[in-house]
Amino acid sequence: NAGVMQNPRHLVRRRGQEARLRCSPVKGHSHVYWYRQLPEEGLKFMVYLQKENIIDESGMPKERFSAEFPKEGPSILRIQQVVRGDSAAYFCASSPRGVGETQYFGPGTRLLVL
Amino acid sequence: GQNIDQPTEMTATEGAIVQINCTYQTSGFNGLFWYQQHAGEAPTFLSYNVLDGLEEKGRFSSFLSRSKGYSYLLLKELQMKDSASYLCAVRDGGFQKLVFGTGTRLLVSP
Repeated sequence: NAGVMQNPRHLVRRRGQEARLRCSPVKGHSHVYWYRQLPEEGLKFMVYLQKENIIDESGMPKERFSAEFPKEGPSILRIQQVVRGDSAAYFCASSPRGVGETQYFGPGTRLLVL
Repeated sequence: GQNIDQPTEMTATEGAIVQINCTYQTSGFNGLFWYQQHAGEAPTFLSYNVLDGLEEKGRFSSFLSRSKGYSYLLLKELQMKDSASYLCAVRDGGFQKLVFGTGTRLLVSP
């Protein structure tokens, strides 16, 4: 009974490159959430998706960041033209349905921008 | 605005009891969660309160007072493996997003 899977676990990019972070939710879960954790800070909500739909992207920076959750395959968080300030741990969570459900977190992807 | 406050660090002794407090001010409220996070690992779900009162689950209990905007996590019979960060999070009203505090780092010593 696999939990939320994220890959890669660690990602190093140079400034200006693209970063792609993948999240496979718990089997049967159709709701995915992305959070970012900066050093010494709390988790900050970025985006909430259902299959093929973005439900809430109020925490997503307006530029360079995008997310998708296609009908088939994992959810992808894409960061274009990375900058040093993007260095953080990015966590994905999933729930079976949206309303009233507990979110279960993956192990995170630690992005380091050189 | 949204604000979740919890102490930054706490220390306790193996076998003891520790209470981690959390106060919140959010625009909406649809439940309060506690998660445990060991360094470099995923947050792990511990408890969920949506109504006032105490929820007990083994060595861990969580309390909620909605009128006071206050919750606590109580850990009994502390073990060394309980050394971790404990995250308080509020689900924001009709939205599904969780608003997290910065976490309380608990160090359990022998």
